[in-house]
Amino acid sequence: DGGITQSPKYLFRKEGQNVTLSCEQNLNHDAMYWYRQDPGQGLRLIYYSQIVNDFQKGDIAEGYSVSREKKESFPLTVTSAQKNPTAFYLCASSISGGRGQPQHFGDGTRLSIL
Amino acid sequence: DQQVKQNSPSLSVQEGRISILNCDYTNSMFDYFLWYKKYPAEGPTFLISISSIKDKNEDGRFTVFLNKSAKHLSLHIVPSQPGDSAVYFCAASPPWGSSNTGKLIFGQGTTLQVKP
Repeated sequence: DGGITQSPKYLFRKEGQNVTLSCEQNLNHDAMYWYRQDPGQGLRLIYYSQIVNDFQKGDIAEGYSVSREKKESFPLTVTSAQKNPTAFYLCASSISGGRGQPQHFGDGTRLSIL
Repeated sequence: DQQVKQNSPSLSVQEGRISILNCDYTNSMFDYFLWYKKYPAEGPTFLISISSIKDKNEDGRFTVFLNKSAKHLSLHIVPSQPGDSAVYFCAASPPWGSSNTGKLIFGQGTTLQVKP
């Protein structure tokens, strides 16, 4: 059954610590995305990648980093430079990153600060 | 600067009636619009989309209307069912450009409650 798997579902970060959120897809999609959702707000784009070994900053990339070494994997690292990391993080993918293509989402990771 | 706005945070309707969710946008160059549905603690699920060359698209109980002159789109759900209770997001595809390819800009969402 194809889909997007995000892990863990809940994650806690200590002050000054980097944490990595996992995103794996078996849809054979070329494009992958990371979004952040805060209460009462829409999804905001952090990073996206349209092909292996290439990625671009979204609207709120500061304090985050990504890698795209494999087609099926797009991990997001929340660094200590991100001063307000508490949020719901969503990973998505689309077939080729073409305009208007629906993006398919995982079930998210909720990150909290200890 | 919110380019895609959903001005109603919540909507409550009776089962069997019509639900109308609204979305406004600021950039007339947006050329695709999508609606997503989201249950708590889950990721959004794609519902329906519309190209800017159309003014209506229908899929079962869901119909999206696009009014380009007013920069407004709406999602109609008829008849509404209790299982439709969720947060609904509209999203727009920004103007052509290599930095925008594949990107979506989301509204804040509207929480729909369908009462039995």
